[in-house]
Amino acid sequence: SQQGEEDPQALSIQEGENATMNCSYKTSINNLQWYRQNSGRGLVHLILIRSNEREKHSGRLRVTLDTSKKSSSLLITASRAADTASYFCAFTQGGKLIFGQGTELSVKP
Amino acid sequence: EAGVAQSPRYKIIEKRQSVAFWCNPISGHATLYWYQQILGQGPKLLIQFQNNGVVDDSQLPKDRFSAERLKGVDSTLKIQPAKLEDSAVYLCASSWTTIAGVGPDTQYFGPGTRLTVL
Repeated sequence: SQQGEEDPQALSIQEGENATMNCSYKTSINNLQWYRQNSGRGLVHLILIRSNEREKHSGRLRVTLDTSKKSSSLLITASRAADTASYFCAFTQGGKLIFGQGTELSVKP
Repeated sequence: EAGVAQSPRYKIIEKRQSVAFWCNPISGHATLYWYQQILGQGPKLLIQFQNNGVVDDSQLPKDRFSAERLKGVDSTLKIQPAKLEDSAVYLCASSWTTIAGVGPDTQYFGPGTRLTVL
């Protein structure tokens, strides 16, 4: 199995700025999901985008999916200090969820 | 609804010792997963249960790791004997089901157990 590749590995921004994280993968997928993990806590599901969708919104989150480029991006608008966390993309392969390495986001007040 | 429960939250053991982790999934969730997350990496699936049957254990080091889900509800993951490289966070997750050919439904994760092997 192959993990997703995420970039950047780490991102530091000021509160109020937008944060963009990218994920690339190498195989065909049915859907792609994004998860958030706060320090010392489990993962929280943020959003799922299906292979026949190109863009999806949820509150301050915007996810895009380009199946021709095998890539997805997560945009967090008007970031807050509480958004500080690690963000992981995950896609299904062989019936199981494969996670990327994650992007560590730090939002400074 | 109550979330996925895991215990203990932290465990420190010496190499070659044994350790067990417990997970209670969200009520009604048929599918239960155990993941290993090494520091700085994404979670890696160790084993997946559908009710009390194993769906996928291809990445479980079976010479030292074992897991069971008796009665199709809660589950235990055991490591015996532990090695230094087993130091990681062990995450349990559950979902309503796994859709054949599509993959797992949205998974809900517990807080994890942080294992340190000295």
